[in-house]
Amino acid sequence: GENVGLHLPTLSVQEGDNSIINCAYSNSASDYFIWYKQESGKGPQFIIDIRSNMDKRQGQRVTVLLNKTVKHLSLQIAATQPGDSAVYFCAEIYTGANSKLTFGKGITLSVRP
Amino acid sequence: NAGVTQTPKFRILKIGQSMTLQCTQDMNHNYMYWYRQDPGMGLKLIYYSVGAGITDKGEVPNGYNVSRSTTEDFPLRLELAAPSQTSVYFCASSSERRLVSDTQYFGPGTRLTVL
Repeated sequence: GENVGLHLPTLSVQEGDNSIINCAYSNSASDYFIWYKQESGKGPQFIIDIRSNMDKRQGQRVTVLLNKTVKHLSLQIAATQPGDSAVYFCAEIYTGANSKLTFGKGITLSVRP
Repeated sequence: NAGVTQTPKFRILKIGQSMTLQCTQDMNHNYMYWYRQDPGMGLKLIYYSVGAGITDKGEVPNGYNVSRSTTEDFPLRLELAAPSQTSVYFCASSSERRLVSDTQYFGPGTRLTVL
């Protein structure tokens, strides 16, 4: 079946360094992708999205890269801060008929002071 | 503006018991959703609603029921609790077409344990 997965279950980075979180997706028809951040005890929070007709999108301190050739999505966080510590989920969406949203498993980002 | 509120925050059920998870939003959103999140996993859609009186099944609806009698409320019902339903449940709402998820607002979650 179709699935969205993350390469690493945990990521530990030094405060101030850049973080890169990777995600693989399997449905080549997915046309919309989202990164969520989930802090302990809270619901997911939208970070950034990207449509399949783009390969890069930048936000505030975050950049999402999409490589459709290898079905790979990444989230880059610049100058990682302690407040960035959370679980990060990627999600793929097929917005056509019988539209479907699939979340990845989640990766924990831990920022060392 | 409270956003999306969920009650209770925590609950322990015995196998076979029933309960209702409450969800209320005060943003006048048409779309509401129920997700479950198992440990170390992403969210899976249980049910969703595109407006009062309309509900549809999501990816994992078995063992659950919903109703949407008002725009504000979207309760999730477990009739015969099973250990497989141990999870964290999130309610969400959005004003726009579902799956345009930058507009989805999530509640704080309900942690349910079935023993």
